Amino acid sequence: AQSVTQLDSQVPVFEEAPVELRCNYSSSVSVYLFWYVQYPNQGLQLLLKYLSGSTLVKGINGFEAEFNKSQTSFHLRKPSVHISDTAEYFCAVTGGSNYKLTFGKGTLLTVNP
Amino acid sequence: KAGVTQTPRYLIKTRGQQVTLSCSPISGHRSVSWYQQTPGQGLQFLFEYFSETQRNKGNFPGRFSGRQFSNSRSEMNVSTLELGDSALYLCASSSVRGLGETQYFGPGTRLLVL
Repeated sequence: AQSVTQLDSQVPVFEEAPVELRCNYSSSVSVYLFWYVQYPNQGLQLLLKYLSGSTLVKGINGFEAEFNKSQTSFHLRKPSVHISDTAEYFCAVTGGSNYKLTFGKGTLLTVNP
Repeated sequence: KAGVTQTPRYLIKTRGQQVTLSCSPISGHRSVSWYQQTPGQGLQFLFEYFSETQRNKGNFPGRFSGRQFSNSRSEMNVSTLELGDSALYLCASSSVRGLGETQYFGPGTRLLVL
């Protein structure tokens, strides 16, 4: 079984500031990791995913994440946020014979002017 | 290419009723999964269908059921609705069934049980 912990339920930042959203996972098997974003009244959109290879993964809208196997983490970063980045961000994992996505509780990113 | 569509988008029901939600995956996608999203429990996996067969099921009571048709469209049904079933129900599709495959989500159906 896998589990995901998103350490911050809310992260307020000012526009053009850098941001890091933290995600830790637990699994007894090799995992695949995902970050999704959900804008108000919408479904989830994939930002990026880690399958294998380079531990630094670049995604859409200027986001990137780094897979750290020893720390079982997959933190999401953006060097400079915009008002339009205000949304809820979900970290998710699959692995083993389990094709379902196991999600964290989400982090609400609020970008203030 | 059109995205995942879900109908209806909003639904109000009363306790004890049943409801059917529909999901049309992206054209060519054969795998469909359903998730329930609530403020308290977050996003929880309901079930996964591939080639008209349920391949995986989450930890939900038997009141929750689903099916997939030969054109990959899927429906989920909830019988004897309870207040706690109020949630956003999200459908996701992927082209094939496999670890690491991107699941593309629809906008969801928001169900309110009174």
